[in-house]
Amino acid sequence: EPEVTQTPSHQVTQMGQEVILRCVPISNHLYFYWYRQILGQKVEFLVSFYNNEISEKSEIFDDQFSVERPDGSNFTLKIRSTKLEDSAMYFCASSPSGGEQFFGPGTRLTVL
Amino acid sequence: GESVGLHLPTLSVQEGDNSIINCAYSNSASDYFIWYKQESGKGPQFIIDIRSNMDKRQGQRVTVLLNKTVKHLSLQIAATQPGDSAVYFCAENKDSSYKLIFGSGTRLLVRP
Repeated sequence: EPEVTQTPSHQVTQMGQEVILRCVPISNHLYFYWYRQILGQKVEFLVSFYNNEISEKSEIFDDQFSVERPDGSNFTLKIRSTKLEDSAMYFCASSPSGGEQFFGPGTRLTVL
Repeated sequence: GESVGLHLPTLSVQEGDNSIINCAYSNSASDYFIWYKQESGKGPQFIIDIRSNMDKRQGQRVTVLLNKTVKHLSLQIAATQPGDSAVYFCAENKDSSYKLIFGSGTRLLVRP
């Protein structure tokens, strides 16, 4: 059964450093998403991406965040200058039609 | 405003019993709802969804009920098994939006 994959599973970085989280959505899906989950809290929407552009973003997704689909398979989330409060699980999701969303296993980001 | 909340943070059931997990939503414009299961250290796993033109939908051992009058969503799990132990999230979506809005989660504990 096809699934969303994410790398790395755990990323540790120093405050102020740039990180890139990588995702491979399910092939033939057209909608891509990033969510985050701070430890013990609910899953929060960050951004959605369709047709090579951002379709919607939350207030969390400020200028420090960017997304890219550099080729036909990868979908990345970049945080330019990480802050302590960026520490969280980051989930990538994809959807064939914008409805049902399938989530990856997540990347745990730890900012020191 | 938009909010999706869960009535009970933890639900403990005997193996073999039925489980009912509840969720309240406040946005009457939401027209699509999903239940996700999240096991420790993993991403949300799709369980079942329902659109607002339905009030009941059944899957394998699971049933989702939607009461639009009182803005209430429930997940029923028949013959609960130890493998059902996880945190369950409801999420809502509006047709005009790409994002899922997650509730705060209910932890289901299955006693042997």
